[in-house]
Amino acid sequence: NAGVTQTPKFRVLKTGQSMTLLCAQDMNHEYMYWYRQDPGMGLRLIHYSVGEGTTAKGEVPDGYNVSRLKKQNFLLGLESAAPSQTSVYFCASSLPAGAWVYNEQFFGPGTRLTVL
Amino acid sequence: SQQGEEDPQALSIQEGENATMNCSYKTSINNLQWYRQNSGRGLVHLILIRSNEREKHSGRLRVTLDTSKKSSSLLITASRAADTASYFCATEGGSGYSTLTFGKGTMLLVSP
Repeated sequence: NAGVTQTPKFRVLKTGQSMTLLCAQDMNHEYMYWYRQDPGMGLRLIHYSVGEGTTAKGEVPDGYNVSRLKKQNFLLGLESAAPSQTSVYFCASSLPAGAWVYNEQFFGPGTRLTVL
Repeated sequence: SQQGEEDPQALSIQEGENATMNCSYKTSINNLQWYRQNSGRGLVHLILIRSNEREKHSGRLRVTLDTSKKSSSLLITASRAADTASYFCATEGGSGYSTLTFGKGTMLLVSP
């Protein structure tokens, strides 16, 4: 099993350009997440999905859009990139949570994005 | 906003010593999790402790949780150079399902 994979690994954009980051998981997980990690800030949740066709906003959703058309894929889009979006982006997935059912998150290797 | 705050921000020890990291949080939680991140890599789950548990062990890891003080600690015994990494606590709180909120992490350096 590959686990959680992310494409691409690195990307440099110019301000105003758009791009899509792809996350794929082969663990049949219901839940998927997009985080950004900035120096000294830890991980902050951008958007997440609790199932195919559903998405929800996290802590820092502005400037990003997501789609979950297939259970195994979670796409993160930047419509008009800004230098403030320079960061390392991590995708994660997990089994569903429930009453007293808690599950760990499995992370991808990250995408390092620089916006000039 | 960040829920968990780790302390210290950085820790440097020798191989064989124990490493203790602390995490404080602000609101009630369902569970608290610890993750490790090696440089340039994704996070890896280490251990999960539920709000009704006070202590949990996994190999060389020992986690404690004090909900009255809203704090947790992660102890790594007999540290190895391979334990060099950043360690993050993450809390899941509220009623029903809630997402994880990560702290800023403790950077651990274990020297041979």
